Amino acid sequence: GENVEQHPSTLSVQEGDSAVIKCTYSDSASNYFPWYKQELGKRPQLIIDIRSNVGEKKDQRIAVTLNKTAKHFSLHITETQPEDSAVYFCAAPGDVGQGGKLIFGQGTELSVKP
Amino acid sequence: DTGVSQDPRHKITKRGQNVTFRCDPISEHNRLYWYRQTLGQGPEFLTYFQNEAQLEKSRLLSDRFSAERPKGSFSTLEIQRTEQGDSAMYLCASAAGTGQHNEQFFGPGTRLTVL
Repeated sequence: GENVEQHPSTLSVQEGDSAVIKCTYSDSASNYFPWYKQELGKRPQLIIDIRSNVGEKKDQRIAVTLNKTAKHFSLHITETQPEDSAVYFCAAPGDVGQGGKLIFGQGTELSVKP
Repeated sequence: DTGVSQDPRHKITKRGQNVTFRCDPISEHNRLYWYRQTLGQGPEFLTYFQNEAQLEKSRLLSDRFSAERPKGSFSTLEIQRTEQGDSAMYLCASAAGTGQHNEQFFGPGTRLTVL
């Protein structure tokens, strides 16, 4: 089955700096990679996703890149703001072609210091 | 609120007791997922339904766990003879359509504490 590894587990940056979170996956057939943000005490919320037919996707200050050869994908946040502080999870499909269950990484706790 | 809702939000129980949680998905979402999240970890898949059919259960799900979605709308997750290791946040998510990768919308979770 799919295995997702996420690094780093904690990340502290100054406001305005960039933050990068990296994930690797094991199943070369995986074709969908969402990123979720979970604020303290809140539910996970999708912030961006990428499918395997593209290498990069941007949405304002957030971008995700995908390297299928190396089986890794990364989340990039530019011009970080204090409200970006949260735990971020990457995910990949548990079974390609099945019901869409997700396998999550261990999470990265991002702290943006004003 | 038209999002995914879960009830109760918190449950404290004694070891050996049975507990039941409810999830109400977004209206007309035909896929419903249950995940478990422990402190400092990502959500871990438990089971999922397409309409009323339970199509997959994680091998991590012991026979003390059972889930239902009788009419293809709300779902319940029951844990029998709870153990301290069952303490976790139980998250429900729903998704629309039959496409493989549609956005999963999460509920606020039910936090279970087993004493």
